[in-house]
Amino acid sequence: AQSVTQPDIHITVSEGASLELRCNYSYGATPYLFWYVQSPGQGLQLLLKYFSGDTLVQGIKGFEAEFKRSQSSFNLRKPSVHWSDAAEYFCAVGQNTGTASKLTFGTGTRLQVTL
Amino acid sequence: EPEVTQTPSHQVTQMGQEVILRCVPISNHLYFYWYRQILGQKVEFLVSFYNNEISEKSEIFDDQFSVERPDGSNFTLKIRSTKLEDSAMYFCASSEASRLARGEQYFGPGTRLTVT
Repeated sequence: AQSVTQPDIHITVSEGASLELRCNYSYGATPYLFWYVQSPGQGLQLLLKYFSGDTLVQGIKGFEAEFKRSQSSFNLRKPSVHWSDAAEYFCAVGQNTGTASKLTFGTGTRLQVTL
Repeated sequence: EPEVTQTPSHQVTQMGQEVILRCVPISNHLYFYWYRQILGQKVEFLVSFYNNEISEKSEIFDDQFSVERPDGSNFTLKIRSTKLEDSAMYFCASSEASRLARGEQYFGPGTRLTVT
């Protein structure tokens, strides 16, 4: 069965500092990988996704993630964090199942940004 | 930008009561989903729905749960007799296509269900 591990429950960074959020997955085949962000009172917004091809993917809001098959990782990065990036970040692995699909999420990493 | 909406944002109910959580998916989407997140735990898949039928359901989605698309716009999750352990944030999602490579899942803001 597929699974996702986000080892960091809570991370605090200073505004302007770089950020890396870790994600490790377990999946038998080539995975569909996603990062979602949830701001307070908001839904889960897709930041970026990886299906195939270039292992470095660019997303919205200046985020990027790198797929490393050898490490079963899909870490999210941002070179310079803004205060508005404070939110909860979820990594997910997707699976096509019959006539639909489903996502398996990690427990999330809460990002706090200090000014 | 089109978005998935959910009502209510917060529902408080007593144990044993029935609740219906409502979702309005994005209008041209055909595939619908419910997920839930118990406080402090992972977001978990509950059920997927297409063409007025359940496509897949998790082991969590037992006989107490049901889903319905009562009209052309709403998608509902019903819990017949709520238990304390049903307290969670429930997320609705929709997608244009069944294959992830052809359509991502868009999520609503969630309904926080509190069972007392």
